[in-house]
Amino acid sequence: QVQLQESGPGLAKPSGTLSLTCAVSGDSISSNNWWSWVRQTPTKGLQWIGEIYHSGSANYNPSLKSRVIISVDKSKNTFSLNLTSVTAADTAIYYCARSNFVRGLIEGYDYWGQGTVVTVAS
Amino acid sequence: DIVLTQSPLSLPVAPGEPASISCRSSQSLLNTNGYLYLDWYMQKPGQSPQLLIYLGSNRASGVPDRFSGSGSGTDFTLRINRVEAEDVGVYYCMQALQTPITFGQGTRLEIK
Repeated sequence: QVQLQESGPGLAKPSGTLSLTCAVSGDSISSNNWWSWVRQTPTKGLQWIGEIYHSGSANYNPSLKSRVIISVDKSKNTFSLNLTSVTAADTAIYYCARSNFVRGLIEGYDYWGQGTVVTVAS
Repeated sequence: DIVLTQSPLSLPVAPGEPASISCRSSQSLLNTNGYLYLDWYMQKPGQSPQLLIYLGSNRASGVPDRFSGSGSGTDFTLRINRVEAEDVGVYYCMQALQTPITFGQGTRLEIK
């Protein structure tokens, strides 16, 4: 059974950096899947942040691209999110998810973490 | 960015009755490989989204067959044959044709 678990501080300071890690179990981070971050707010709904492949190749949402880095740690079977220069608008529930890549097709985000609430406040 | 517009935003349904949710895309989601890159998710209260339908019409593993997806190009529909109490939640469509991946605004299904 594949499981994803987010971890990290629940509070970030304005202008600081938000850092989260997603631990993957039941699958290898080096498998033929992409690993993604999605966030959710009451006002903007679900927002895709970006994704990474085990090779390190990453894609980001242009609206966040200047502030986001997603990285992978194959030795720990984890991937991480760093979001810099945060403001109150970055307060959200942050989810990690697996994009199921089968025979060249993207078959949806089939596994999600439970989500972690991050509040940006001083 | 591709914009997805869902309707209705609120959907009260009596148990046992059918339900239908529409998702319209600002551009075609038909890939050159012939597949439609539109997924459907359901989010129950307090939970993460869960995959219902991928590539337009394929039910994800473990999803009851009362859920079905259809569509072509820019117009998509999620149907529930007979709504059950456990179907309460918010339903989202999502396009995976191009980045940034985008979601619809969500449709809240409630039981009458």
